[in-house]
Amino acid sequence: RKEVEQDPGPFNVPEGATVAFNCTYSNSASQSFFWYRQDCRKEPKLLMSVYSSGNEDGRFTAQLNRASQYISLLIRDSKLSDSATYLCVVNEGNYGQNFVFGPGTRLSVLP
Amino acid sequence: NAGVTQTPKFQVLKTGQSMTLQCAQDMNHEYMSWYRQDPGMGLRLIHYSVGAGITDQGEVPNGYNVSRSTTEDFPLRLLSAAPSQTSVYFCASSLTGGSGYGYTFGSGTRLTVV
Repeated sequence: RKEVEQDPGPFNVPEGATVAFNCTYSNSASQSFFWYRQDCRKEPKLLMSVYSSGNEDGRFTAQLNRASQYISLLIRDSKLSDSATYLCVVNEGNYGQNFVFGPGTRLSVLP
Repeated sequence: NAGVTQTPKFQVLKTGQSMTLQCAQDMNHEYMSWYRQDPGMGLRLIHYSVGAGITDQGEVPNGYNVSRSTTEDFPLRLLSAAPSQTSVYFCASSLTGGSGYGYTFGSGTRLTVV
């Protein structure tokens, strides 16, 4: 089975901190990449897609390094509401059946 | 616009019982799938469908059946429940399932098999 690995966590950070999540994938033919957020006992929700050029959405920045098969997510000025599990997702082919989910990294932002 | 609706939210089964988990989406998405999520593991694909009348197996299909008679509905059937099927089940849909499109998930079904 192709693998997607993530930092084991959990990450416990104070409000206002910057936190970075790392993800590596094993299939060099992977087509597209995503970060999902999953709150406790809830469904995963798409946070952002990840592009080779890097992309930013407010306090969130995602980076992709295809040569190293590495994906990152940076959260700046973390809020209590950012507490969740962050899932790295890799699409290894042209169809959704090739989506591979990482195990997730749990983040707790502390007051 | 309800998105992806799963029922029931919770279910307890006895070993050997059968049941159907329901999934419906109102976004006219072609691609639908079922995942199970177990502690410490990523979501694992059970079955998927690329359109009405077309289904295929994912990574962990044993003990489960699916059908896709309409674009909207994609039920998952447990044939003879086993304790190993205790898990949280998520249904997800995507516009086409193609590269670059993310998923919309249902709220999940928490299943316990005793």
